[in-house]
Amino acid sequence: GAVVSQHPSWVICKSGTSVKIECRSLDFQATTMFWYRQFPKQSLMLMATSNEGSKATYEQGVEKDKFLINHASLTLSTLTVTSAHPEDSSFYICSATRGRRDSPLHFGNGTRLTVT
Amino acid sequence: AQSVSQHNHHVILSEAASLELGCNYSYGGTVNLFWYVQYPGQHLQLLLKYFSGDPLVKGIKGFEAEFIKSKFSFNLRKPSVQWSDTAEYFCAVNAPGNSGGYQKVTFGTGTKLQVIP
Repeated sequence: GAVVSQHPSWVICKSGTSVKIECRSLDFQATTMFWYRQFPKQSLMLMATSNEGSKATYEQGVEKDKFLINHASLTLSTLTVTSAHPEDSSFYICSATRGRRDSPLHFGNGTRLTVT
Repeated sequence: AQSVSQHNHHVILSEAASLELGCNYSYGGTVNLFWYVQYPGQHLQLLLKYFSGDPLVKGIKGFEAEFIKSKFSFNLRKPSVQWSDTAEYFCAVNAPGNSGGYQKVTFGTGTKLQVIP
């Protein structure tokens, strides 16, 4: 089956620093990747849609200058949380799809970010 | 905009009990519907999906869901749960007519199922 690897699985950083999270599709080409954020006891909230070779599309309320997304190849998308603050602490999840109408989403294991 | 509501946040069942998890969505047009499952320590994975055709959808591990258009519902069912079904279940909806494209799904808040041996 399709595998999506997300790295790191957890990270602790100091306030003001930047953190990069990688999302890789290991055995398929992902034309589209999605980045979600999940708060405790809440649903996955879509942050942005990332298409290979083009700029990411951000959801309303998501700061694109704070959450930098790069989808440089068909197997890799990165999310960089710039100048992280404690309120950015959350669980970040990526998903990848081949992009066809009936293509399912394949999820990474998520990254737990804690900003101190 | 589309939204999804799951009525039960935490369900506790004994093994062999029947399961039904509620899911309602709000969107007036054509929708694709999904149930995803997240087992402890694992990533989200697709349980079943509805795109068109027979509104009763069979998924993996004996799960099924029924799309009732008039009720805007897509409830998940299993006749007899097992301890290994302990997981969190997410209902999701995608509206192809939305500008976000086919794969932009909206998730419900999830239902944690705990099955007691």
